[in-house]
Amino acid sequence: AQKITQTQPGMFVQEKEAVTLDCTYDTSDPSYGLFWYKQPSSGEMIFLIYQGSYDQQNATEGRYSLNFQKARKSANLVISASQLGDSAMYFCAMRGRAGNTPLVFGKGTRLSVIA
Amino acid sequence: GAVVSQHPSRVICKSGTSVKIECRSLDFQATTMFWYRQFPKQSLMLMATSNEGSKATYEQGVEKDKFLINHASLTLSTLTVTSAHPEDSSFYICSPGQGYGYTFGSGTRLTVV
Repeated sequence: AQKITQTQPGMFVQEKEAVTLDCTYDTSDPSYGLFWYKQPSSGEMIFLIYQGSYDQQNATEGRYSLNFQKARKSANLVISASQLGDSAMYFCAMRGRAGNTPLVFGKGTRLSVIA
Repeated sequence: GAVVSQHPSRVICKSGTSVKIECRSLDFQATTMFWYRQFPKQSLMLMATSNEGSKATYEQGVEKDKFLINHASLTLSTLTVTSAHPEDSSFYICSPGQGYGYTFGSGTRLTVV
């Protein structure tokens, strides 16, 4: 079974600073994918970044980067130059096996950006 | 690409009535649709998986007679909450999964009064 652990219920960051949201995972599948989503108060799930288990380099998408440490089974999200609009819930998720399988989500971290 | 249109975005219904939620794939054909439920201040949990032309599969603890899922075409999957009760009040959201960027519909906030 797959499991995602997010140990930070809430985080605060000053505007323009960088912040790291923690995510650890557990799976027995050799092939898996790791995702980060942003969920604002409207509820929509906004895809941020993806890391495949066999990807050699850490994924980056604009201000988002994923610090993937396979041996430690961690996939932390780094947001650089935080903006007020980054305030939201952030979910780490994973899929396993090949084929179209659903995502397993962590409990989420609420990020608040302070001016 | 990979846009999923979900309606309604919000619905308030009386206890005992039924509510239908639609997810349409606008620019692709989805053979599978995952339906998730999110209670307030909680994470997303998979409820069921719909497959075009066959029966849906439900996660443990989800009543298949209460949450009717239909995937009659490659562009439409529906979730009907039958005989809704206040404890069914939740956020329901769909996703076609892999191959479509793991995109999501915009979600439906259901309130049963």
